[in-house]
Amino acid sequence: AQTVTQSQPEMSVQEAETVTLSCTYDTSESDYYLFWYKQPPSRQMILVIRQEAYKQQNATENRFSVNFQKAAKSFSLKISDSQLGDAAMYFCAYRIHNDMRFGAGTRLTVKP
Amino acid sequence: ETGVTQTPRHLVMGMTNKKSLKCEQHLGHNAMYWYKQSAKKPLELMFVYSLEERVENNSVPSRFSPECPNSSHLFLHLHTLQPEDSALYLCASSQGLGQNYEQYFGPGTRLTVT
Repeated sequence: AQTVTQSQPEMSVQEAETVTLSCTYDTSESDYYLFWYKQPPSRQMILVIRQEAYKQQNATENRFSVNFQKAAKSFSLKISDSQLGDAAMYFCAYRIHNDMRFGAGTRLTVKP
Repeated sequence: ETGVTQTPRHLVMGMTNKKSLKCEQHLGHNAMYWYKQSAKKPLELMFVYSLEERVENNSVPSRFSPECPNSSHLFLHLHTLQPEDSALYLCASSQGLGQNYEQYFGPGTRLTVT
């Protein structure tokens, strides 16, 4: 079965520090997209960053970057200069054709 | 906020009731999705619609019946639900069905089955 595993149910980071959220996935496909979504408390889920599996270069979006290791099927998210507004549930996901699979999420707390 | 709205935001229903969840997107997207989000479990993709046609049904029980009358609206009709169906039901839309398209999520309907 194709799955996404987020091994850290909860993480905590000091404001202005850097934190890395882990994600591994399992698929036999070679063409797919990977995503990190953020779900703030009582707010709608929004896309943080995406990565095409065929691209070796790691995606970056301002303070957010990924470490994509295709052979290891690993897709971690690094948040630099953490801000209070980064506190949320973070979901790793991949999409293959019409199928979208999510991990169980990591709850990130940012301490002032 | 994301251009996807869902009503109602909260719903409590008995196991013998029939209710419907509504989703509307104001983004001009062609694809719409229903997800189930249970506590401490991964989001589960339930249905995928593209241009009002269902293209994916991930082994969802027949007590959940989707309907997509046009590309802007998506419904989830519920009947004879079970307590384990209690969850947050999220609707999403995307510009197309391609793998690279970002999905825009609604705020969800918190469903409690008593």
